[in-house]
Amino acid sequence: GENVEQHPSTLSVQEGDSAVIKCTYSDSASNYFPWYKQELGKGPQLIIDIRSNVGEKKDQRIAVTLNKTAKHFSLHITETQPEDSAVYFCAASHQGGKLIFGQGTELSVKP
Amino acid sequence: DSGVTQTPKHLITATGQRVTLRCSPRSGDLSVYWYQQSLDQGLQFLIQYYNGEERAKGNILERFSAQQFPDLHSELNLSSLELGDSALYFCASSYGDSGNTIYFGEGSWLTVV
Repeated sequence: GENVEQHPSTLSVQEGDSAVIKCTYSDSASNYFPWYKQELGKGPQLIIDIRSNVGEKKDQRIAVTLNKTAKHFSLHITETQPEDSAVYFCAASHQGGKLIFGQGTELSVKP
Repeated sequence: DSGVTQTPKHLITATGQRVTLRCSPRSGDLSVYWYQQSLDQGLQFLIQYYNGEERAKGNILERFSAQQFPDLHSELNLSSLELGDSALYFCASSYGDSGNTIYFGEGSWLTVV
């Protein structure tokens, strides 16, 4: 069935360093890959997404890459700041709108 | 603020009881999704409605049901509650029924005691 694996489960970086979170999906028919940031006590907030006809997308300090052949996609955050600390979720969608989520990565940015 | 409104924000109830969670989607969105988030299960898809019709179903228990009304708001009904149903329940919405950006509400915290 549909499955999304996300690594690492926790990530600690120094302020100013880069952070990379990786996801692998199982269903080759998946065509939409969003990333969400969830802060404590809040709902997931969309930060960037990519569709299967694009290999890379960038928005300021955040970028996402997609390798359809390997069924991998990754989130890259550059010049991390303490306010980037949160739980990040990747997700994949194909049949209809439902999203299958990874298990989340708790990112901690130390000042 | 995503524009998706959920009520109540917090709810404490006893085992065996029934509760209703309410969701108003973003203005103009036709799809509503319900997700359950617990520590050991992550974000689990429960059910999707599009313009009043059920569109997709996930691992939703038979004790749980949902509906989407003509004004597009949705309700998730949880009955015969068990301790294990304690979780954060999210509603999300999107314009279409496939491949559209999905926006989440702030969630309803359910505690079953």
